[in-house]
Amino acid sequence: QQQVKQSPQSLIVQKGGISIINCAYENTAFDYFPWYQQFPGKGPALLIAIRPDVSEKKEGRFTISFNKSAKQFSLHIMDSQPGDSATYFCAAKSSGNTPLVFGKGTRLSVIA
Amino acid sequence: KAGVTQTPRYLIKTRGQQVTLSCSPISGHRSVSWYQQTPGQGLQFLFEYFSETQRNKGNFPGRFSGRQFSNSRSEMNVSTLELGDSALYLCASSLDGAATGELFFGEGSRLTVL
Repeated sequence: QQQVKQSPQSLIVQKGGISIINCAYENTAFDYFPWYQQFPGKGPALLIAIRPDVSEKKEGRFTISFNKSAKQFSLHIMDSQPGDSATYFCAAKSSGNTPLVFGKGTRLSVIA
Repeated sequence: KAGVTQTPRYLIKTRGQQVTLSCSPISGHRSVSWYQQTPGQGLQFLFEYFSETQRNKGNFPGRFSGRQFSNSRSEMNVSTLELGDSALYLCASSLDGAATGELFFGEGSRLTVL
């Protein structure tokens, strides 16, 4: 049973456009929602994270939007650049000694 | 500060063989987690070790096992390899694994089973 559902599987965006990746979860015990970015040949790296006490968090061109009632969160990449081309994973975790569970990933391609 | 180091980076095995993968965490990190990454399933949690004890285990068969040493280095072993075990195996370390959820990943060991 997949705990975090991520969409779309792949995404092509024009340079300068907005990339949007969505995730949904069922476990209401989740209280930490990070996004990881993975470039080819590399391991995933933490990009940005949010906790449910805020509805939005912005770091540079990257924004997480969080809707607690809908149990959904999304990543927005503004002014997308070719260097943003990577695979993005949403993830979730509940408090305590619990593992981080990941979505299946979205392969983003930003074309000039 | 050195990152997470995984060895070997690439390996090819045949069905029925066994394999051992190694992970050296960031200095000072006591938690090591292992994930299996495949194109169709994303990152799936295998297990987590903290201070030499398995703290969490994912939904994988008993052929998958691991351990952690007193210096926090970790190994995972897969016995009786199957074709479906072909994947990128990622190791991630963190200070304690529980509090923030921030994991620092290595570049992975890519296993091909023929």
